[in-house]
Formats: sequence, structure tokens, C-alpha cells
Amino acid sequence: GAVVSQHPSRVICKSGTSVKIECRSLDFQATTMFWYRQFPKQSLMLMATSNEGSKATYEQGVEKDKFLINHASLTLSTLTVTSAHPEDSSFYICSARDRTGGPLHFGNGTRLTVT
Amino acid sequence: DAKTTQPPSMDCAEGRAANLPCNHSTISGNEYVYWYRQIHSQGPQYIIHGLKNNETNEMASLIITEDRKSSTLILPHATLRDTAVYYCIVKGNTGNQFYFGTGTSLTVIP
Repeated sequence: GAVVSQHPSRVICKSGTSVKIECRSLDFQATTMFWYRQFPKQSLMLMATSNEGSKATYEQGVEKDKFLINHASLTLSTLTVTSAHPEDSSFYICSARDRTGGPLHFGNGTRLTVT
Repeated sequence: DAKTTQPPSMDCAEGRAANLPCNHSTISGNEYVYWYRQIHSQGPQYIIHGLKNNETNEMASLIITEDRKSSTLILPHATLRDTAVYYCIVKGNTGNQFYFGTGTSLTVIP
């Protein structure tokens, strides 16, 4: 089955630093990947859509300069949380869909803690 | 994409069938019904999807009503490991974004 690998699974960083999270589709090509954020006891909130070879599109209320997305190839997207603050602490989850369609497949998430 | 409505929580006895309902009364003809589940602190796991016909795989069965306005996910023999939040999403096969609602928190009781 389709596998999406996300790294790291956990990261702790100090306030003001930047953190990069990687998302890879291991056995399929994804022209589009998606980044979600989930706070405790809440549902997944779509942050942005990562498009291979072009700019990401962000959901309303998500700061594009704070959450930098790069989708350099058909199998890799990265999310960089810049100048992280404690309120950015959350569970970040990436997902990808095969370019031919079908279901969305998810990584196992990254637990970010900003101290 | 059409909105979905799910009960916030359900219990099911271990070994019994878990039947999780989803209403999607505004679904359009080309939209699929997708089901995912999320076990605590993990990424969502794809379960099954369908368009019109009932579907079955190794994890579950999906029953879609004839008018397509509602569906039921069936876990035939629930185990403790099936305790999770189950999300029903309606989505066309083209276009991109999957938006998650609040889902149903299923607790399987020993």
C-alpha cells in the first residue's frame, strides 16, 4: 500500500528558532501534498496545499511567511516553522495523494514542542 | 465538497459489529465517501471509500444508501485496537483538499 514517511516524529525547540519537517511519498508520486495541524482533542485542520514545482496555497488564517513550504520533487515536501513560539506547539501531519487520484495517505505526524 | 454529520461518540462491545453512521445529504453525483480513522497520536489511517455501491475490504464494509445521502461504516468484529476517532469525508475524485470534520470517537469495551 501507499506509504507516506514523515520525519522527525518528535522535536523540541527553543522559542525563536526554526524547525523543518520532511514528508516523503515512498512508493508513489504526488504532485500535491497537504499539511495539517492538530491541537489536543481537536480535529485536523488543513494548513496548506503543497504543489510540486510551484507555490503552496494556504488556508485562510495561516501565515505563509511563518509556515514555509517547499515541494521540490514529486516525492518530497517540507514544512519549516520559522521563529517558532510556544503557541506553535502542535501535532503536524502531512499527507499525499497519488497523482492518479484515490485516497489521501498520511504520515505519522510530528509532535512539535516549543519551549 | 459536501459536509458530513457524525455522532460525536459511540461505544461497542468487543467482538460485536461496530456500525458508524454518516450523513451527507448534500453529496453530489461525482463525490466519493471516504472513511479514515485516527488512533491517538498517530496520523489518520485510510479505511475504505466508495461512490455508489457497497464496498468491502479487509478492514471494513461501507454501506451507502441508494439516495447516497448517508452511509455506514461497519467493523464486523470490533477489537480493542479499533478504539479511535473515525472520520467520514465526502470528496470528488478530482481536485485536492480533504477537510476533516469532528468525527466519531469509537470506544471498544472489553
